Amino acid sequence: DTEVTQTPKHLVMGMTNKKSLKCEQHMGHRAMYWYKQKAKKPPELMFVYSYEKLSINESVPSRFSPECPNSSLLNLHLHALQPEDSALYLCASSPFPKTYEQYFGPGTRLTVT
Amino acid sequence: KNQVEQSPQSLIILEGKNCTLQCNYTVSPFSNLRWYKQDTGRGPVSLTIMTFSENTKSNGRYTATLDADTKQSSLHITASQLSDSASYICVVSAGAGGTSYGKLTFGQGTILTVHP
Repeated sequence: DTEVTQTPKHLVMGMTNKKSLKCEQHMGHRAMYWYKQKAKKPPELMFVYSYEKLSINESVPSRFSPECPNSSLLNLHLHALQPEDSALYLCASSPFPKTYEQYFGPGTRLTVT
Repeated sequence: KNQVEQSPQSLIILEGKNCTLQCNYTVSPFSNLRWYKQDTGRGPVSLTIMTFSENTKSNGRYTATLDADTKQSSLHITASQLSDSASYICVVSAGAGGTSYGKLTFGQGTILTVHP
């Protein structure tokens, strides 16, 4: 199984809502990532987890809160987002330390109204 | 600063034709280079990956080349199909050892449109 799954596929939320994005992989990868991608732009790294511990936070605003409850799951909790946070949110996983072998999920299309 | 530049930004070709996409990088220390295909609204899918010592890698109708001396890579698509319409992203990994994270540097992508 070389698949990374993400739910939901689409999410529309208001600026006062609290929602969560979920990501799952069963490849035994011990590194997991969150990226944000705006239209016609490359993905931008947000967070990196290695062995379920947050190892990189690319100065992401606190309204985005990641969580890695176990080695297969990665969540991104959203609260008080802004319209400019609307984007495609991609999850990826990789073996560690082969962090270049990243497998991407299909993404969650987030719209903040 | 590590950078990856791709050209052209966009390309339109007719079905059945060949095309070549370019990638220039300044990433140090270089670890490997990967080409991804990304359909609109979907996650990137890896096409090829090459290390410093490899200069050609094929995956079906996709052939990637790497010149580590000039820091250039190309992706050649043969006998294009309508389903090849997508964004093609060149991604270069900086070398890292031990428990360090080798950060990926993404190019801006080339948007390929294949017309019937």
